[in-house]
Amino acid sequence: AQSVTQPDIHITVSEGASLELRCNYSYGATPYLFWYVQSPGQGLQLLLKYFSGDTLVQGIKGFEAEFKRSQSSFNLRKPSVHWSDAAEYFCAVLETGANNLFFGTGTRLTVIP
Amino acid sequence: EAGVVQSPRYKIIEKKQPVAFWCNPISGHNTLYWYLQNLGQGPELLIRYENEEAVDDSQLPKDRFSAERLKGVDSTLKIQPAELGDSAVYLCASSARAGNTIYFGEGSWLTVV
Repeated sequence: AQSVTQPDIHITVSEGASLELRCNYSYGATPYLFWYVQSPGQGLQLLLKYFSGDTLVQGIKGFEAEFKRSQSSFNLRKPSVHWSDAAEYFCAVLETGANNLFFGTGTRLTVIP
Repeated sequence: EAGVVQSPRYKIIEKKQPVAFWCNPISGHNTLYWYLQNLGQGPELLIRYENEEAVDDSQLPKDRFSAERLKGVDSTLKIQPAELGDSAVYLCASSARAGNTIYFGEGSWLTVV
């Protein structure tokens, strides 16, 4: 069965520091993977996605993610965090047969000045 | 291009009262989803429509929840009667077709008191 694990519930980083949010997935076929961000009181905004091809994908707001099949991971990175990046981040895998997204439990990012 | 539009954004009701949420998907998107997001959790699918047809409603609590998508465009999700445990965010999303990227609305934030 498909599943997504985000091992870090809460991460705190200083503004300007680098960031890596972890995501591990379990899926039998080739996964379609996504990262979404949710600011307080808002819906989910798509940051980036991986369907196939280059395993390093670029997204909006300076984020990138790397797909590693051998590790079943799709970690999100940003070289320099801004205070506006404080939000909840969700990793998700698309079950293509059912056309449904399965989400992790999210990682809350706090940015300190 | 307009995104997924939801209303109301926020709703506070007393338990046992009915409530309805409305969603207008991105123009041309045939697939529409309703997701439930409990506090501190990732979203979970309630129902998925392909045009007018509800193709996956296995997670919809049918004793109190109902949904419709007349004419294959807008959709309404209803809860009657609401319970305290229904306090959550109800997210509508859409995609052009199966296997494509899923885009979310801002969510309808329900508080049942």
